[in-house]
Amino acid sequence: NAGVTQTPKFRILKIGQSMTLQCAQDMNHNYMYWYRQDPGMGLKLIYYSVGAGITDKGEVPNGYNVSRSTTEDFPLRLELAAPSQTSVYFCASSQTGGNTNEKLFFGSGTQLSVL
Amino acid sequence: GESVGLHLPTLSVQEGDNSIINCAYSNSASDYFIWYKQESGKGPQFIIDIRSNMDKRQGQRVTVLLNKTVKHLSLQIAATQPGDSAVYFCAEKGWRGYQKVTFGTGTKLQVIP
Repeated sequence: NAGVTQTPKFRILKIGQSMTLQCAQDMNHNYMYWYRQDPGMGLKLIYYSVGAGITDKGEVPNGYNVSRSTTEDFPLRLELAAPSQTSVYFCASSQTGGNTNEKLFFGSGTQLSVL
Repeated sequence: GESVGLHLPTLSVQEGDNSIINCAYSNSASDYFIWYKQESGKGPQFIIDIRSNMDKRQGQRVTVLLNKTVKHLSLQIAATQPGDSAVYFCAEKGWRGYQKVTFGTGTKLQVIP
């Protein structure tokens, strides 16, 4: 049981390039999330998904896209990378959501620099 | 708007002493609170949680206290160890149809050997 796996761990992009951050979980969790963490700051929710085929925007969705074709995978797409997207990205999952109290399981993060 | 914040950005504690990390929240509708620990280069890891119908919950060497009157949350770590050095985040969640957890900015705990 690997938990939440993120790839790559590090990436440097040029302005305007695109890339996909991969996230997979093997816990059969319904809910998955993408957060970004800027230096010295807390985590901001980018997008989340409550199940396969369903996604919704979080606090800071601009410049990103997601898809959820399977329960296991929740990739995050950057279409036109900008310096403001330099950050550490964390994927997380939880079994349930809504009006239940469920802790989040996090991946180890992807450190992205846009130059 | 909603916010979750911490009083102290950095806390230095002598090994063996008790640590207290504080957190203020502003959304009175929040009904679930969580503390996460984030070690350098890693993702946050769940430590302990508490529901709004409780005012205290204990785990292994950790205790969370909730004061709803003043919207204050604290994490107490007993007999602090070097392995406790990390950034600690408080987070809150309220009923919004789907689980959306709001994180504070974090407190860095430095344990002095």
